[in-house]
Amino acid sequence: EAGVTQSPTHLIKTRGQQVTLRCSPISGHTSVYWYQQALGLGLQFLLWYDEGEERNRGNFPPRFSGRQFPNYSSELNVNALELEDSALYLCASSKGQGLLNTEAFFGQGTRLTVV
Amino acid sequence: AQSVTQPDIHITVSEGASLELRCNYSYGATPYLFWYVQSPGQGLQLLLKYFSGDTLVQGIKGFEAEFKRSQSSFNLRKPSVHWSDAAEYFCAVGARIGSSNTGKLIFGQGTTLQVKP
Repeated sequence: EAGVTQSPTHLIKTRGQQVTLRCSPISGHTSVYWYQQALGLGLQFLLWYDEGEERNRGNFPPRFSGRQFPNYSSELNVNALELEDSALYLCASSKGQGLLNTEAFFGQGTRLTVV
Repeated sequence: AQSVTQPDIHITVSEGASLELRCNYSYGATPYLFWYVQSPGQGLQLLLKYFSGDTLVQGIKGFEAEFKRSQSSFNLRKPSVHWSDAAEYFCAVGARIGSSNTGKLIFGQGTTLQVKP
């Protein structure tokens, strides 16, 4: 069974540009989560999608947004990139609605560098 | 506020020695607790989880953890460390508001494990 897959694995963007990161969850999982892992800041919760709806978002500005498609895959969009957006972006998926009695499985991440 | 603390930023152990990584949480109700491991440049791999029941939980790669409500702890242990265990380890709690699920994991800052030959 395939795990959570993310694309691309690495990318470099210029400050002010926009970027889209993609995530395919494990088959049968309906919830998708996005986390940012920036140097020195640890793992920070960005967004939670379930059944195509945004269920919760972390303390990030509105230029961080995303969506979930009918096949449960997800995109994370970041507009007006800033240098401090440089980070590893991790996607995770789980069965059911969120993390009630279930665990999240993570992908390998997308390394974003903003120059 | 819900939080997770991993007091040890960096730990070095000799191969074959035992290991204990500490995790303390702050949470009002029974927590959902997790340990993840991350190799350099990689994603997170789930080692084990605690939702309820037996307070000693077994995970993959020979790891176990014990939930101690009185101490608000969920320490990770392994009786004999292998060189391949060198990685960063994260403890996390599933955040809820009352009984409502937020879909959010609150992570500790991580503990980097170095294994000496």
